[in-house]
This record gives sequence, structure tokens and C-alpha cells, in this order.
Amino acid sequence: EVQLVESGGDLVQPGGSLRLSCAASGFSVTDNFLTWVRQAPGKGLECVSVIYNDGSAFYAASVKGRFTILRDHSKNTLYLQMKSLTPEDTALYYCARVRVTLIENWGQGTLVTVSS
Amino acid sequence: SYVLTQPPSVSVAPGKTASIICGGDNIGSKSVHWYQQRPGQAPVLVVYDDSNRPSGIPERFSGSNSGNTATLIISRVEAGDEADYYCQVWDSTSDRHYVFGSGTKVTVL
Repeated sequence: EVQLVESGGDLVQPGGSLRLSCAASGFSVTDNFLTWVRQAPGKGLECVSVIYNDGSAFYAASVKGRFTILRDHSKNTLYLQMKSLTPEDTALYYCARVRVTLIENWGQGTLVTVSS
Repeated sequence: SYVLTQPPSVSVAPGKTASIICGGDNIGSKSVHWYQQRPGQAPVLVVYDDSNRPSGIPERFSGSNSGNTATLIISRVEAGDEADYYCQVWDSTSDRHYVFGSGTKVTVL
């Protein structure tokens, strides 16, 4: 059974950094496309980053240069390294596994709050 | 970047049919997927590849896609269908990534 469990969300001051983790089971993080999707309070879904099985990555314009998506084969874990955080980054961050063009499995999300 | 447009809200009486549209430039040439998100929960796939249902999704959920509009149809609406619904496509024209519509809140009267 595929499972995705996010962690690492926290309250952080503007300008701060945070690393989100997503522990995967039931599949290999290096053999699949994986994505981080965020949802600001009361807002819609936004794909912020994707990592493909060849290691290449996509970043939304709003996070490019500040966020880095990584994966660790030995821990079967996906990460999102975030820096220079602003209040606009406040959101519930979902880790998700992709099948071709659709998002097949979702985690339950981890909450990031950027506030002073 | 590719843009998907959805109405903010749709209201429907129990037992009636709800239609949720998703507009995009030549969206008929893409595979459209639909997700249901109940309050406090992660999204759940309800229709994929325009008109297919994952296992466990009731037959009441169906979809179509042609031209510049994709549609999610919920027949015989029940109170439990009240949720936000998002359409999604894969944008392969520039950076490869997943694009979501703005979401439609379905209210069961």
C-alpha cells in the first residue's frame, strides 16, 4: 500500500528557513515522479515543485531560487528545502506521488506558517 | 503558463445534477483529471483522463472534455458530495508541471 507522511511544518519568522520531509512507503522515491502541492488558507491548490525520476526538477515562479526539492533513496524520503520564507508561503504543504499526468496518492499535509 | 478557469461556486438540490466546468485553451487536447476535497481533508481523485472513474468512486461521477471546456457531472447529488472540486492537467508545453483550476465549491441545498 502506498503511503506518504509529511513532517517538518512549523511557525517560522519571515526570512527564515525550513525543511519539509515526506516519508514514502509502498514504492521507491527514485522510480516515480513526486510533487509538492501547497494550499494557502482558504485558497486553491498550487504545484510548487516536481522531481522526475531522472532527477530533473520544476519550480513554480513564486518559489524558484528559494525552494529545493530533494530525495534520499536510502531513507525513501522526499524533501522540500525552503529559505527566505515570506508570509505568502504560509500554507498546508502536501507531498504527492504522480502517475503520468495525474496525482495518484496524497499525504495528509504539513502546515507551514510564516509570521513574526 | 497554462491557465484553467472554474466558477467559484455551484449550488444544487439533493437528487439533482451538478455540472462543474473547467475552461482552458484547447483543453480538449489534454487529459483532464478531477479531485474532490472535503474540508480538512486531502484531495481525492474522482475522475481521470477526462471521463474515467477510479475504483471506489460512485458511477454518479462522470466527465467529458471537448474544445475549450471540460465538465465534471455529479448525478443524483447527495449531501456528502458537498466539497471543493478541482480540475487538473499536465502542462508539457514549457516547464513540465501540474496545473490546477481555481476550484469550485459545490453546495448542496
